[in-house]
Amino acid sequence: GESVGLHLPTLSVQEGDNSIINCAYSNSASDYFIWYKQESGKGPQFIIDIRSNMDKRQGQRVTVLLNKTVKHLSLQIAATQPGDSAVYFCAEIHPGPVHKYIFGTGTRLKVLA
Amino acid sequence: EAGVTQFPSHSVIEKGQTVTLRCDPISGHDNLYWYRRVMGKEIKFLLHFVKESKQDESGMPNNRFLAERTGGTYSTLKVQPAELEDSGVYFCASSHLGTGVEKLFFGSGTQLSVL
Repeated sequence: GESVGLHLPTLSVQEGDNSIINCAYSNSASDYFIWYKQESGKGPQFIIDIRSNMDKRQGQRVTVLLNKTVKHLSLQIAATQPGDSAVYFCAEIHPGPVHKYIFGTGTRLKVLA
Repeated sequence: EAGVTQFPSHSVIEKGQTVTLRCDPISGHDNLYWYRRVMGKEIKFLLHFVKESKQDESGMPNNRFLAERTGGTYSTLKVQPAELEDSGVYFCASSHLGTGVEKLFFGSGTQLSVL
């Protein structure tokens, strides 16, 4: 069936270290992927996206890597800060006349001072 | 520009009661989505409006859930009668209607607790 899952439900990282959040997806037809960040009391907010014709995309302190061979997506956060503490969701978007977002279960990132 | 707003932010009701959640999308966004997240699980799709029409309601759990978007502006999601398993955070999201993939903008959600 269709599913997007995460390997680690909780990730604790020392402030200043790099964080890597992983995500596996199952639909090889998905052609677009997005990472969202959800802080406490807020809705998910867009962080970075990547299309299936790319394998890497960089933003400010964040990098998304896409490995289509093993259907794996990761979010790398450089020099993790306390403000990065949140739940991170990956989403795969299925192509078609109506674009459907399929979200993973989320990974909680805890930044330790 | 105002973001997606949802009301109420929290709702605590007893099993069997009725609750209505409201979502005001970003002005000009024709796409409106409802999602639900049960604690510790994924954000699950409920349904999708394009303007006032239901484009896809395949995620609606059962006929106790009714979503409307009269006039193609704000939307309501009614749960009647509520059951314990309906507890969770209900998110609304909106986006422009375009030919490509449009970014979803989420509201802060309504935390629903059914006791």
